[in-house]
Amino acid sequence: DTAVSQTPKYLVTQMGNDKSIKCEQNLGHDTMYWYKQDSKKFLKIMFSYNNKELIINETVPNRFSPKSPDKAHLNLHINSLELGDSAVYFCASSQDLHRAETQYFGPGTRLLVL
Amino acid sequence: AQTVTQSQPEMSVQEAETVTLSCTYDTSENNYYLFWYKQPPSRQMILVIRQEAYKQQNATENRFSVNFQKAAKSFSLKISDSQLGDTAMYFCAFGDSGNTGKLIFGQGTTLQVKP
Repeated sequence: DTAVSQTPKYLVTQMGNDKSIKCEQNLGHDTMYWYKQDSKKFLKIMFSYNNKELIINETVPNRFSPKSPDKAHLNLHINSLELGDSAVYFCASSQDLHRAETQYFGPGTRLLVL
Repeated sequence: AQTVTQSQPEMSVQEAETVTLSCTYDTSENNYYLFWYKQPPSRQMILVIRQEAYKQQNATENRFSVNFQKAAKSFSLKISDSQLGDTAMYFCAFGDSGNTGKLIFGQGTTLQVKP
């Protein structure tokens, strides 16, 4: 049973294209996140959602638009892709927003923009 | 703002030996939570261990334990009886305040376990 799943695992695309990454969790959690891991492996949060509501947006460009149709899903749509968007994107979930909660990560989506 | 620093980019250890990974952090808070995550070559992020700052006792999970020094703001991870499967990148993380769920990660330490 996959707790947090992401599709696709790999995404290769041209600059200027629009792409989406899907995320689903079957843990019954209220909170979901998107993280970006850059080429130096540095992990930084992008967004957090709680019960489908946006909680934080860490100065992410408007080209990135998360959408949460329900608590179990948090999708990431990226418009007008740029070279600098190449990274691994991780979805995660936790029971709620409390800082003590363990976050469970998906397998990551490696995005390469050519 | 909180920061997390891992000063060892790479480390190696012989199988069955013990290794300690360092992490320091900066915060003005008194109650907080700290985590170690493991990222093997498969890329999956896996929780190794967590520590509540209000607990004086160091957390332990099987071969993994932490040395939590609150006054020094230090949170090191000790791996005993290292196994080849421990080869991974290890990230220290701080649970940010404000009920946002945000984790602040260190730069990571790549650990190579040698046979």
